[in-house]
Amino acid sequence: DTAVSQTPKYLVTQMGNDKSIKCEQNLGHDTMYWYKQDSKKFLKIMFSYNNKELIINETVPNRFSPKSPDKAHLNLHINSLELGDSAVYFCASSQLFPSRGDNEQFFGPGTRLTVL
Amino acid sequence: AQSVTQLGSHVSVSEGALVLLRCNYSSSVPPYLFWYVQYPNQGLQLLLKYTTGATLVKGINGFEAEFKKSETSFHLTKPSAHMSDAAEYFCAVSKTNFGNEKLTFGTGTRLTIIP
Repeated sequence: DTAVSQTPKYLVTQMGNDKSIKCEQNLGHDTMYWYKQDSKKFLKIMFSYNNKELIINETVPNRFSPKSPDKAHLNLHINSLELGDSAVYFCASSQLFPSRGDNEQFFGPGTRLTVL
Repeated sequence: AQSVTQLGSHVSVSEGALVLLRCNYSSSVPPYLFWYVQYPNQGLQLLLKYTTGATLVKGINGFEAEFKKSETSFHLTKPSAHMSDAAEYFCAVSKTNFGNEKLTFGTGTRLTIIP
């Protein structure tokens, strides 16, 4: 059983289009994240949701809008796609254990977005 | 603010040789430290993590890392490299305070194994 799944795996689209990437986790976690990995493999946090509430919003263009219909899902919608949006987008989830205080995150397989 | 520096974007070792991947961190609070591995065209998989307690941490696939506060380091080692270890390795840091903290990643080290 896949713990964190993303669809689609590959997404090729034209500049100016609007697209969505979906993420689902079946781990029962309360927090989900979106990361962007650029062409140089650098990974950077974009957003984080805890129990459907936005808790981390890094400096990301407002063309990117995350939506969490329930705590098992975190989707990423991108408007007016630009060439620079080409990257691999990873979804992740975690469950905070206050008594342990750590933050192990489980990652999905990634969505490779190519903007032409 | 937290940051991670991985020395060496590419490391090549012979099969059977020692693997050493370097990671230094900067953190204003005691850090939680992680090593993740990414195989080609796949997501990230946790190798090991340091939270509190024993500073030598053992992970999957024979990897281990030692947290050295005085050196602000968390280097990853494996005594004997295997061909299947070829991948991209990422060191990451997060804060220890409550709240669902983001991971701050290093720039990654690509490990190549020479037959």
